[in-house]
Amino acid sequence: DVKVTQSSRYLVKRTGEKVFLECVQDMDHENMFWYRQDPGLGLRLIYFSYDVKMKEKGDIPEGYSVSREKKERFSLILESASTNQTSMYLCASREGFRNTEAFFGQGTRLTVV
Amino acid sequence: GNSVTQMEGPVTLSEEAFLTINCTYTATGYPSLFWYVQYPGEGLQLLLKATKADDKGSNKGFEATYRKETTSFHLEKGSVQVSDSAVYFCALSPYNFNKFYFGSGTKLNV
Repeated sequence: DVKVTQSSRYLVKRTGEKVFLECVQDMDHENMFWYRQDPGLGLRLIYFSYDVKMKEKGDIPEGYSVSREKKERFSLILESASTNQTSMYLCASREGFRNTEAFFGQGTRLTVV
Repeated sequence: GNSVTQMEGPVTLSEEAFLTINCTYTATGYPSLFWYVQYPGEGLQLLLKATKADDKGSNKGFEATYRKETTSFHLEKGSVQVSDSAVYFCALSPYNFNKFYFGSGTKLNV
């Protein structure tokens, strides 16, 4: 079974802190994604990566950056956390992109105070 | 463009009732279609998928058929259980584009 593991289930950070959310997948998938999930807004794509060191902006990249130095690891960085970044963050991975599904991690609920 | 519309929730049913959650989509070309389920406090899990017109995806008693003529992928289950209480998301992925488009989710209470 594919396993996508996010480093934390719950995080509480202060406004202005630099925050790192880590995601690791164990199935050698080329593609990895970061979403945020908010009530009433569904899932929104922040960034995705289709290869090591390659990244593309999603629908809401402002205030975020990403890093993919190794194929299995995709990090989301909040450069200076703000209260409007309080959310559930979901990482996913995918093999190829035709007819394949995404596999999700368990989610990180981030609270910025 | 690409988009997914699914019925508003919450949907409240008695145990053993029949479930339908409607999903319609707009897409260029021939997308793959998916249903995901999210239990409280968890990430999304794939429930079923269909990759071409008239395909039927099925899993755990849930079914959905890819209907190109009506651009729909409605989720059905003949007899729901309390354990089916969750949020269900319909999604599409375009054939030639590496992205997913999710519906807003439908909460099911059994």
